[in-house]
This record gives sequence, C-alpha cells and structure tokens, in this order.
Amino acid sequence: SQQGEEDPQALSIQEGENATMNCSYKTSINNLQWYRQNSGRGLVHLILIRSNEREKHSGRLRVTLDTSKKSSSLLITASRAADTASYFCATDTQLTFGTGTRLTIIP
Amino acid sequence: ETGVTQSPTHLIKTRGQQVTLRCSSQSGHNTVSWYQQALGQGPQFIFQYYREEENGRGNFPPRFSGLQFPNYSSELNVNALELDDSALYLCASSSVGGDEQYFGPGTRLTVT
Repeated sequence: SQQGEEDPQALSIQEGENATMNCSYKTSINNLQWYRQNSGRGLVHLILIRSNEREKHSGRLRVTLDTSKKSSSLLITASRAADTASYFCATDTQLTFGTGTRLTIIP
Repeated sequence: ETGVTQSPTHLIKTRGQQVTLRCSSQSGHNTVSWYQQALGQGPQFIFQYYREEENGRGNFPPRFSGLQFPNYSSELNVNALELDDSALYLCASSSVGGDEQYFGPGTRLTVT
C-alpha cells in the first residue's frame, strides 16, 4: 500500500497565484519529504520536515506537518511557469510515494 | 542536476529476456535505492543497498535482484521480463544517516 497520498491529483492555476497540495499518510513517520518531477525525469528533492517539526520554509516553499492528522501540505507561493511538474510526498528513508499532484502553471 | 548517473537512458527488450541497469551514486554516498515508476504512477520502492548488502526490499518478486560494488555503484537485474515491467527505473543515493535522496534521471525500459 502507498504511504503517501497526494491531493488533488491535478491542479491548474494562473502564474503568480499560490498552489497548495496535500499529502496524507497512514503510519507513524520519522520524516516526510516533498519531491518534484518534471515530465518523466528523475525526482528532485524539495524539502524535508521531521516528525517533531510543524512548519518549514525554503524560498517560495512552505511545508506544514500535522502528525495528529497524519497529513502534510506544500504551498508554493507566487507560482512560475517553471513550477509546472508533478509533486510527490514520501515518508522516511525507504521512500513510499503516492501518485503525485500534477501542477500546471498557466502563463 | 544531481551527481547520480544511470545507464542506459532507454532500452527495449523482449518478454522473457533479462536486463541489467546501472547506477553511479553521488560522491560520498554509500546507500543506493532503486524504484520502479509506471506511467502515471508514483515511484515504487524495489530495494536498497548499503555497504554492498541488501538493506530492505519492497514488494517485488525475486526475479528483481541487485548488486552494489565497493565504489558504491549499483546494478538492477531483472530476469524473465514481463510486459508489466515496462517503466521508468530510478536509482537514488544517500549518505549514512542522511534522509534526503538524490535521484538519477532514470532508465526507460520498454518490454515488447
């Protein structure tokens, strides 16, 4: 079974708007990570948040973690066309991925 | 761009054949993980190697096997290929105690 499940499956927004995607997981975790994948290429690590952290920022990215609800969210502010990609959450070191959120930024 | 490289980029094999995929990890990383990503799906964990030993395995049959070499590069071998093995195969390296994984660009395998 997949540990991380992203929601929504797909999201289209205008350039400059903020994009929010969510991730739910089933079991206790040590950390949760977000990755980006451009069109069938390798995954790029975006940010890691540990189970004892509630919020983390990196540039235009903001990640929250709610261990009581077993959920996380990724916010991309001031979106750009280059942010168009699939976004995945994954837990711990033997990463278990969901099916991802396909984000499309409309210029 | 990460320092992880994979070869080949693409290959086409026939059902029943065997295939070997290769991965060179990023400098300083001694752990390599392999993932299978079917079209439209997220990557699925196949197995992980640490110091040349298998260090965890996902829900894949024994015909999926691997090796890690002293220089920490790795191979993924798949025997008796099936049509459903068509996928993007990703390797990722990480350092001891490191949670962040660095992915290679992947090998696209098509089984006909």
